[in-house]
Amino acid sequence: EIVLTQSPATLSLSPGERATLSCRASQSVSSYLAWYQQKPGQAPRLLIYGASNRATGIPARFSGSGSGTDFTLTVSSLEPEDFAVYYCQQRSNWPLTFGGGTKVEIK
Amino acid sequence: QVQLVESGGGVVQPGRSLRLSCAASGISFSTSGMHWVRQAPGKGLEWVAMILYDGSGNYYAGSVKGRFTISRDNSKNTVYLQMNSLRAEDTALYYCARDKALQALDYWGQGTQVTVSS
Repeated sequence: EIVLTQSPATLSLSPGERATLSCRASQSVSSYLAWYQQKPGQAPRLLIYGASNRATGIPARFSGSGSGTDFTLTVSSLEPEDFAVYYCQQRSNWPLTFGGGTKVEIK
Repeated sequence: QVQLVESGGGVVQPGRSLRLSCAASGISFSTSGMHWVRQAPGKGLEWVAMILYDGSGNYYAGSVKGRFTISRDNSKNTVYLQMNSLRAEDTALYYCARDKALQALDYWGQGTQVTVSS
C-alpha cells in the first residue's frame, strides 16, 4: 500500500499570504495524484487531478506540481474561503490512499 | 446539476449488517465508475471501495475486504455498499463519489452516518 505523508499538519497563515502544502509518496505514483479541499460539515471537493490539472470551476490561485514521490499544492494568495483541510490522494496503485491532511488555519 | 444522495446509514450492533445506497442524477451513471469513501469522527478520509462503470471489476481497501461488497444497478442509477460483520472501527460518515477517468473523485455526496455500537 502506498503511504502518502502530508506536511505540515497545520499551516497558520493570514489572508493574502501564499500557502505551500506538501505530499510525499512512499513510492512513485507518477502523476496520478489529486488534491481535495474539505471544509467543516462539507464533503471534499476536487481541486487538482493528474498532479497539476485544475478541476472544473477551481480558481487559478490553486496550482499543483510534482511527479514521482514529491508533490506540492500552492495557493498563491489565500482568500477567506480557502481556510480548510486539504488532502492528497493517489491512484497509481490499488488500494487508493489518501494523505492524512493539512489544515490551513487563520493566523 | 449533479446529485449523489446516500442513504441507509444508522446505528447497528457489532457483527450485524447494513446496506448503503447512493442514488445518482445529473451524470452519465452507466459510464461512470463509483467509489465509497469514509471518514471517522474527527479523522481523515479513507477510501473503501470502487466499482467499474459496468460492474465488471471492483476493488477494496484491506480493512474491509471480505466483509464489504460494492455493487451497482445501472437501471436505477444506484450504487450500493453491503457491509457485513460490522466493527466499532467501521463507525464513520460514508460518502459515495464518482470516478473521474480513474484519476480522481470529482463529485461527492453529502454522506450517510454509520455508527457501530452495542
